[in-house]
Amino acid sequence: QTVVTQEPSFSVSPGETVTLTCGLSSGSVSTSSYPSWYQQTPGQPPRTLIYNTNTRSSGVPDRFSGSILGNKAALTITGAQADDESDYYCVLYMGSGIWVFGGGTKLTVL
Amino acid sequence: EVQLVESGGGLVKPGGSLRLSCAASGFTFSTYSMNWVRQAPGKGLEWVSSISSSSNYNYYADSVKGRFTISRDNAKNSLYLQMNSLRAEDTAVYYCVREMVRGGIWGQGTLVTVSS
Repeated sequence: QTVVTQEPSFSVSPGETVTLTCGLSSGSVSTSSYPSWYQQTPGQPPRTLIYNTNTRSSGVPDRFSGSILGNKAALTITGAQADDESDYYCVLYMGSGIWVFGGGTKLTVL
Repeated sequence: EVQLVESGGGLVKPGGSLRLSCAASGFTFSTYSMNWVRQAPGKGLEWVSSISSSSNYNYYADSVKGRFTISRDNAKNSLYLQMNSLRAEDTAVYYCVREMVRGGIWGQGTLVTVSS
């Protein structure tokens, strides 16, 4: 079974740029994987940041951007802020109606 | 305002059944596919099931196939998840999520606890 991979944790200083990635244990991520990115803080439901690789959800600041980098999907936060400290999840479409989430990345801003 | 409100969660014994509901408002429900996604305590997100806008197609994660059934009633703007033969590992918050390809909208979730 294909596994969706994410960095378990990442640390960034305020104002810096950070790129989180979302890959496959076997194969490459493409736009046909329809990658989406979600932000979740404790006790809250996830919030959609990016869908269809690079479309920003309504109300999401433009410091969040999505792309394909090499063989992975990527979420870039330009100028990280303290309230960006959250868990970030990606999801990929595997075909045949099946979606698989990555294990999530815990982002620390300090 | 686009809104999804889940209900029906609770405590159930292993082997038992539960039916979750999701009430949608603020958008044309019948034109979107819908999903159930769950999150076990302290764990990550897991896609559970999806259903097409007109119920022609439904899909399941291997972990729930044969035990869970997704359905919808477009006249009532509602999504359902019938869960049978529940196991301890099904304990999670269950979220109703509008079509992820078109910018998923998430409900607040409902907690299902499977324990004796």
